[in-house]
Amino acid sequence: QKEVEQNSGPLSVPEGAIASLNCTYSDRGSQSFFWYRQYSGKSPELIMSIYSNGDKEDGRFTAQLNKASQYVSLLIRDSQPSDSATYLCAVRGSSASKIIFGSGTRLSIRP
Amino acid sequence: ETGVTQTPRHLVMGMTNKKSLKCEQHLGHNAMYWYKQSAKKPLELMFVYSLEERVENNSVPSRFSPECPNSSHLFLHLHTLQPEDSALYLCASSQEMGLAGGQETQYFGPGTRLLVL
Repeated sequence: QKEVEQNSGPLSVPEGAIASLNCTYSDRGSQSFFWYRQYSGKSPELIMSIYSNGDKEDGRFTAQLNKASQYVSLLIRDSQPSDSATYLCAVRGSSASKIIFGSGTRLSIRP
Repeated sequence: ETGVTQTPRHLVMGMTNKKSLKCEQHLGHNAMYWYKQSAKKPLELMFVYSLEERVENNSVPSRFSPECPNSSHLFLHLHTLQPEDSALYLCASSQEMGLAGGQETQYFGPGTRLLVL
């Protein structure tokens, strides 16, 4: 079982719709959860971090965390073509020094 | 310069060469990281330094040798690499390591794209 698992996609969503990206993790002791966006040929940039169960909203982005189900998701409302990128889920587990990245979900917003 | 910078941005080297990658962070952070990103594979953590001490070495071959002379600079020395080492090498930094609340958020540099012939 992969430590952090994401559907590789591509996930195709029409412009203006809600894009839903999902991530599961194996370490039940995980404490911190991150979503990064990576455009082709660029480095990852942080979108959201979440530490406690529930929803966290920032503009068009909402991160959702359910520690009991070991599940974290990212919702993008009013999707724009500029949201087309690979979205990386990252989890800091029991080891303080290690953040594990998923392989990413490629999102494509079609006009 | 702001944020995290990396040089060179592109590097082509032969298997017998020795080269070094440089990373500099201008954020006042205490922790720095080297990652390897290969096509269609997750980001792989290679090394972690906290306050200039190496705290993580993820079973990386000895042909990769990190150096952290101070909290702002991180190097990755390369020698006798293999073609399968061709990848994007990313440096990141965070304010602290292992503390929640935003201090552990990692900020990435632009990366060095390495090709080993």
